[in-house]
Amino acid sequence: GAVVSQHPSWVICKSGTSVKIECRSLDFQATTMFWYRQFPKKSLMLMATSNEGSKATYEQGVEKDKFLINHASLTLSTLTVTSAHPEDSSFYICSASEGQGYSPLHFGNGTRLTVT
Amino acid sequence: DAKTTQPTSMDCAEGRAANLPCNHSTISGNEYVYWYRQIHSQGPQYIIHGLKNNETNEMASLIITEDRKSSTLILPHATLRDTAVYYCIPRSGATNKLIFGTGTLLAVQP
Repeated sequence: GAVVSQHPSWVICKSGTSVKIECRSLDFQATTMFWYRQFPKKSLMLMATSNEGSKATYEQGVEKDKFLINHASLTLSTLTVTSAHPEDSSFYICSASEGQGYSPLHFGNGTRLTVT
Repeated sequence: DAKTTQPTSMDCAEGRAANLPCNHSTISGNEYVYWYRQIHSQGPQYIIHGLKNNETNEMASLIITEDRKSSTLILPHATLRDTAVYYCIPRSGATNKLIFGTGTLLAVQP
């Protein structure tokens, strides 16, 4: 089945630094990937839609300059949390679809970010 | 996007069938119903999806009412590893997005 891989699975960084999270589709090409964040005991919240070769589309209330998304190839999207602060600590999850239309989205196993 | 209503939590005995209901009374004609589950600290796992016909795969069965306003996910023989939060999500092929609600925490008891 379709596999989405995220790296790293967890990261600790100091306040004010930037952190990059990678999302790869291992056995399929994905023109669109999605980034979510999840706080403890809460549901997933969609942050942005990442489109290969074009700018990402951000959901309302998500700062595009804070969360930089790059989708440079059909198998890789990256999320960079810039100038991270403790309130950015969260579980970040990406997903991708192996086809268009109604093909299921497949999710990575998430990245636990802790900002100290 | 259609709103969904799911029970906050449910219990099920190991080996018994788990029936998880979902109300999606505002679903549009072009929206499929998707079911995902999330085991603690992992990414969501795709289970099944359907439009109006009942569907079955190796993981579960999906029963959709004729008016499409509700559906039920059936895990035929629940195991302890099925303990997870289960999400029912209407999804349009036009937007391609999955918008998660609060889901149902299914606790399978030994």
